[in-house]
Amino acid sequence: DAGITQSPRHKVTETGTPVTLRCHQTENHRYMYWYRQDPGHGLRLIHYSYGVKDTDKGEVSDGYSVSRSKTEDFLLTLESATSSQTSVYFCAISRGGDSGDYGYTFGSGTRLTVV
Amino acid sequence: AQKVTQAQTEISVVEKEDVTLDCVYETRDTTYYLFWYKQPPSGELVFLIRRNSFDEQNEISGRYSWNFQKSTSSFNFTITASQVVDSAVYFCALSVLDDKIIFGKGTRLHILP
Repeated sequence: DAGITQSPRHKVTETGTPVTLRCHQTENHRYMYWYRQDPGHGLRLIHYSYGVKDTDKGEVSDGYSVSRSKTEDFLLTLESATSSQTSVYFCAISRGGDSGDYGYTFGSGTRLTVV
Repeated sequence: AQKVTQAQTEISVVEKEDVTLDCVYETRDTTYYLFWYKQPPSGELVFLIRRNSFDEQNEISGRYSWNFQKSTSSFNFTITASQVVDSAVYFCALSVLDDKIIFGKGTRLHILP
């Protein structure tokens, strides 16, 4: 399996507090993504990155920010957590289409509960 | 805009039965990729298959087979002789080469012993 790890694996936090989730890869893949998974919605793209310091918004980016200061790390921050952000968060990596290799490898997920 | 529809929210079959999971996609692009991912109860997402839009040949991998039909914009997944270990949520997905993958909402498959 590709080297991709998410931390923490589980977190409970209080409404209004900031939360940062980390995705770390050892594959030197160019693209990194954050998705959230909710019942009845499948996986929805929050933000993605196509290189260091290059990020863009996905379908459900409100309330989230990201940073990528190094190829291997992609951080997702909830500036002020709300109960609607209770979800399972998945990070994914890919080489990118220009490599001819389409498709993702996913991390194991982070289960976040906002109380 | 792209869209993936998995109309079957949940399916239950008895072990050893065959089961087909439906996937219908929408895109105006002529070049695209289709995917299936499996999410077992443990929660990880496991890549199953990727097909490009120029290859309509059906694929078989053991008990799994995929039927890609551009005429109906469908990419259906069949499990033959289902087993309890096949119980999972299955996601169909689409990429139109913008390096983002759009997922369907998933089909939860229960294989009953």
